[in-house]
Amino acid sequence: DVKVTQSSRYLVKRTGEKVFLECVQDMDHENMFWYRQDPGLGLRLIYFSYDVKMKEKGDIPEGYSVSREKKERFSLILESASTNQTSMYLCATQITASGGRRETQYFGPGTRLLVL
Amino acid sequence: SQQGEEDPQALSIQEGENATMNCSYKTSINNLQWYRQNSGRGLVHLILIRSNEREKHSGRLRVTLDTSKKSSSLLITASRAADTASYFCATPLGGTSYGKLTFGQGTILTVHP
Repeated sequence: DVKVTQSSRYLVKRTGEKVFLECVQDMDHENMFWYRQDPGLGLRLIYFSYDVKMKEKGDIPEGYSVSREKKERFSLILESASTNQTSMYLCATQITASGGRRETQYFGPGTRLLVL
Repeated sequence: SQQGEEDPQALSIQEGENATMNCSYKTSINNLQWYRQNSGRGLVHLILIRSNEREKHSGRLRVTLDTSKKSSSLLITASRAADTASYFCATPLGGTSYGKLTFGQGTILTVHP
């Protein structure tokens, strides 16, 4: 079974703090994703990574950065947390199958972040 | 904009009844996926149906895909209280070589014991 873990289930931070959310997978998947989920807005892609040190912006990258120094670990960084970044953050992984197909995503349990 | 849109937004049924959720999408796809999310948790992949398939079964789940109508349905038969969750359809953006998925808003299913 694929295991995707996120560093915290719940996190409370103050405005202006630098926040690190970490995601670790144990299945050697090439692709990793960070989403945020908000009521009425669904899941929105923040950043994704196809390989170590490779990253691409998703739909809402503003205010976020990412780091992928090792294949199994993908970090989401809020450089200066703001109240509008209060949300549920979900990490996902995905394997590149034969023929280059990238299909099913495997999600971590989520981190509920509250920025005060 | 959202590629997949689920309908209904919320569904409330009794245990033992069937639950049907629908998903519509806008552009051509090569697969469509359904995910479940229990309250406050991550999403769990349920089933993937390819564009050349019309119907697929997995346990109590039945998924249909109608590419001419750009729609899919998820049927859960003989529902249980444990099926209470949000259900999302997801479609690939730019084909499967890119890996990105776009998710609908979800259907909240409540199964009463």
